Amino acid sequence: GAGVSQTPSNKVTEKGKYVELRCDPISGHTALYWYRQSLGQGPEFLIYFQGTGAADDSGLPNDRFFAVRPEGSVSTLKIQRTERGDSAVYLCASSLTAASGGHNTGELFFGEGSRLTVL
Amino acid sequence: DQQVKQNSPSLSVQEGRISILNCDYTNSMFDYFLWYKKYPAEGPTFLISISSIKDKNEDGRFTVFLNKSAKHLSLHIVPSQPGDSAVYFCAAKVKGNTPLVFGKGTRLSVIA
Repeated sequence: GAGVSQTPSNKVTEKGKYVELRCDPISGHTALYWYRQSLGQGPEFLIYFQGTGAADDSGLPNDRFFAVRPEGSVSTLKIQRTERGDSAVYLCASSLTAASGGHNTGELFFGEGSRLTVL
Repeated sequence: DQQVKQNSPSLSVQEGRISILNCDYTNSMFDYFLWYKKYPAEGPTFLISISSIKDKNEDGRFTVFLNKSAKHLSLHIVPSQPGDSAVYFCAAKVKGNTPLVFGKGTRLSVIA
């Protein structure tokens, strides 16, 4: 597809379960970002990848959260032992490179998000 | 500690009139500012940006003004159209490879 694709669009899980959220960025975009948007808040930065490596993971709230991008394209955000406070929309975004967009100028292309509900 | 503040959660404007969305920030190191627009069930989309070396940037019906001394920026939409109804996020970043910091958003309703 032409845009950033995120799956699942909706995920309902029980407290304590493990969840994976997937992001397929725009083809050719080397920079990939995860943000989290809680109800009534703006998007909050979690982690940023340049290629396969996590260039900045300072936004991950704790060690229950982990993200990978093994081949420099698709990324998976993994949440262990989910808590009710993890309920939010998880947004993925990509940009061509960090130098031409994204981290440098802030112009990101966002997906529609994955809405996570932890009961 | 909100570094980017959008103090109006909602704004209602009549079609054809000007919409003014405001944003304040606290971090004097921010050097690039952006506005994103979000429709329901969609991701935010980039709208317009401004560098700290400028005080105005215009793109069609959209103009962003930056007042660095007041740490304030605003987005003007004129004339407003019903299709502009959305949530508008103000965002800012420090120079270099640093993440965007978003405000909480302002929901704009343009009434026909």
